[in-house]
Amino acid sequence: GAGVSQSPSNKVTEKGKDVELRCDPISGHTALYWYRQSLGQGLEFLIYFQGNSAPDKSGLPSDRFSAERTGGSVSTLTIQRTQQEDSAVYLCASSLPGVGSYNEQFFGPGTRLTVL
Amino acid sequence: AQSVTQLGSHVSVSEGALVLLRCNYSSSVPPYLFWYVQYPNQGLQLLLKYTTGATLVKGINGFEAEFKKSETSFHLTKPSAHMSDAAEYFCAVSRSGGYNKLIFGAGTRLAVHP
Repeated sequence: GAGVSQSPSNKVTEKGKDVELRCDPISGHTALYWYRQSLGQGLEFLIYFQGNSAPDKSGLPSDRFSAERTGGSVSTLTIQRTQQEDSAVYLCASSLPGVGSYNEQFFGPGTRLTVL
Repeated sequence: AQSVTQLGSHVSVSEGALVLLRCNYSSSVPPYLFWYVQYPNQGLQLLLKYTTGATLVKGINGFEAEFKKSETSFHLTKPSAHMSDAAEYFCAVSRSGGYNKLIFGAGTRLAVHP
């Protein structure tokens, strides 16, 4: 079946602009994660959604970052007033429910964001 | 708090040689441990995982890792490197029993030369 998809694959924007990154999880996966991969910080957790529960936003680096998940499926990560340090690859992953047991996270190919 | 340390940002081996990528973790609770591989311009792929049970775990492509609690280590090995193993490898830890936010190490880039 289809894996996790992300769009766009590449995004170049100017400093100060807002960007939206999209993630389509695997059908039936109720857990969705966003991670960021950057040269300076490596791979870091950003936010986690599980069903209708309140998301875990503990990894968001600033209030310029927000994410939502509509209808328990597609998720959008929004970065407002982008800064050059936001340049990174943003990875999305989905899994079956993770609470109480382990379920493998399947990663998408990522969106490469470049802020000029 | 949990953290992961990968020793060696770059490792180079000859084709056919042993691959050893080192990972040490810190966790105040029983951990789940993972190795992921990332090929150029691709997403992350799970190689293997330790959750409970047998401490020697086998993964895809001939890789294996051993969970050593006393050494807080989870080193990745492969007896004989192939050219196709050239990639970046990430060790990760998550809490057991809870949701599975992954904490990653900095990664080790493996080069395989003829």
